[in-house]
Amino acid sequence: GESVGLHLPTLSVQEGDNSIINCAYSNSASDYFIWYKQESGKGPQFIIDIRSNMDKRQGQRVTVLLNKTVKHLSLQIAATQPGDSAVYFCADSETSGSRLTFGEGTQLTVNP
Amino acid sequence: GAVVSQHPSWVICKSGTSVKIECRSLDFQATTMFWYRQFPKQSLMLMATSNEGSKATYEQGVEKDKFLINHASLTLSTLTVTSAHPEDSSFYICSARRISGGNNEQFFGPGTRLTVL
Repeated sequence: GESVGLHLPTLSVQEGDNSIINCAYSNSASDYFIWYKQESGKGPQFIIDIRSNMDKRQGQRVTVLLNKTVKHLSLQIAATQPGDSAVYFCADSETSGSRLTFGEGTQLTVNP
Repeated sequence: GAVVSQHPSWVICKSGTSVKIECRSLDFQATTMFWYRQFPKQSLMLMATSNEGSKATYEQGVEKDKFLINHASLTLSTLTVTSAHPEDSSFYICSARRISGGNNEQFFGPGTRLTVL
């Protein structure tokens, strides 16, 4: 990911809407990509991952899309709930378990 | 699941003192642990990679003499912030790598909030 700037991008959605969070990364050698959720004052929590040989992966209410051509990653959250409010980070590494580079993060706020 | 703990969860210290933060993998062995620092409203920045039984690998710009890392066992890594100053105030997060069935996964601790007065 690319971590720049001092202000987190924000996304505000209504409860029940779908959310799309985007991320750009810079390392062409990255092979493994992860989305994390971080609540205030806590460590990152794993959401979903994807390897470079895939372009889409689905979990429970979440979908990750990978476009290696433009080095872009997105996280889609279906039927967003207030409990989804948090900061979301993408991270990439050259192999799973190796050093991670985190993106800048997006603050998601879900309005009831 | 794999659990990683950190101790303390928060610490306040005076400028010039040293602070030690522990990172433990509770139910698995971790030959590699990672230390991150996170300032408010910013992303996690990798500080160093801690390897059991050998010297840590520091990222560019991170002073190894200021941030001492010791990975003395397969379940414990410590980060000591020496001669802490207010600009060292931050959220310090560790992760531990678990190798299982050929898969490598990183599990994160809950973080330690350091405030230097």
